Amino acid sequence: GAVVSQHPSRVICKSGTSVKIECRSLDFQATTMFWYRQFPKKSLMLMATSNEGSKATYEQGVEKDKFLINHASLTLSTLTVTSAHPEDSSFYICSAEGPSNTEAFFGQGTRLTVV
Amino acid sequence: KNEVEQSPQNLTAQEGEFITINCSYSVGISALHWLQQHPGGGIVSLFMLSSGKKKHGRLIATINIQEKHSSLHITASHPRDSAVYICAAPGGGADGLTFGKGTHLIIQP
Repeated sequence: GAVVSQHPSRVICKSGTSVKIECRSLDFQATTMFWYRQFPKKSLMLMATSNEGSKATYEQGVEKDKFLINHASLTLSTLTVTSAHPEDSSFYICSAEGPSNTEAFFGQGTRLTVV
Repeated sequence: KNEVEQSPQNLTAQEGEFITINCSYSVGISALHWLQQHPGGGIVSLFMLSSGKKKHGRLIATINIQEKHSSLHITASHPRDSAVYICAAPGGGADGLTFGKGTHLIIQP
């Protein structure tokens, strides 16, 4: 079946640095990918929709200058957390829309800790 | 925006018990997802269904489109089934998914 690979699975970074998270569709082309964030003991929340070749669509309350999304190819979307702060520590997960546009395939998630 | 409600939020059962987790949503959808989240955070997609019932091993998912309700069942539950089970439906903004808060399942030996 379709596979989405997310990397890294865990990252610890210092306050003020930037962190890039990659989301790849391994065996299919994904024109649309989604980035979600999960706070402890909370449900996943959509951050932004990433469309290949165009600007990402951000949900209300998500800072687009802080969470930079690049979907430069049909198999890769990246989320860069810029100038990270401890409150950015969270679990980030991507999903890719499958060929039929009704399927969703999830990456393994990235646990970000900002110290 | 779709409102997705799950119940129960927490469930502890003995090994071998039949488990049912419920999910209801507010807006008609094309398909609903059931996901399993392991303690490390990693998410596994269990089912995507748009009608009727699907079965995979000891897991069964059903959906009633008219009633906007879905259930996830686990037969002959086992401690390794302990995880958070999440339902998700389209309608999360810009075609993303809206997730339920999850059901934290613990199966005791």
